[in-house]
Amino acid sequence: EDQVTQSPEALRLQEGESSSLNCSYTVSGLRGLFWYRQDPGKGPEFLFTLYSAGEEKEKERLKATLTKKESFLHITAPKPEDSATYLCAVQAGSFGNEKLTFGTGTRLTIIP
Amino acid sequence: DTGVSQDPRHKITKRGQNVTFRCDPISEHNRLYWYRQTLGQGPEFLTYFQNEAQLEKSRLLSDRFSAERPKGSFSTLEIQRTEQGDSAMYLCASRFGQYEIGELFFGEGSRLTVL
Repeated sequence: EDQVTQSPEALRLQEGESSSLNCSYTVSGLRGLFWYRQDPGKGPEFLFTLYSAGEEKEKERLKATLTKKESFLHITAPKPEDSATYLCAVQAGSFGNEKLTFGTGTRLTIIP
Repeated sequence: DTGVSQDPRHKITKRGQNVTFRCDPISEHNRLYWYRQTLGQGPEFLTYFQNEAQLEKSRLLSDRFSAERPKGSFSTLEIQRTEQGDSAMYLCASRFGQYEIGELFFGEGSRLTVL
């Protein structure tokens, strides 16, 4: 069974203090790894898809990287509006398997 | 607003009652998904439709749960004989399915509380 583990569970940073969130996964046949952002009481919002080890994607202050066992979401000089829960998810297995397996998320708080 | 729309946003019911949630996906999206999320957890996959066909169901989806997507447009998720363990946020998502992998667009969810 696919497993996704995110760490830390919660992270508090001062505004401008860079850090990284970790997502480690155990799957059979990774087809894609996704990062989503979720604000309280809202549905997840798509950030990135990574397909293979070595791939990197960037968007504003966020950069996602992928290895064969884990993914990192690097946040550079964060602002208070970056406060949210960041979810990692994997899609794996045979063609036609549309299920995403999510981790429990990292709750990020940026203090002004 | 052209995003994924879910109704109702909140539902409080008594144990044993039936509830139904509706999801209106983004209009050109042919793939539709239902997920369930409890407090402090990530979303859990329930079921998936391509057009009107239900192609995948999780083992989490007991016989009390049924989902439909008539005519490949909106979808409904019905829970019969609700139990307290059904209390959760029910999330609907959709995407255009030209490629096998693509980003999901989530609605804001329907929060169910079973008393």
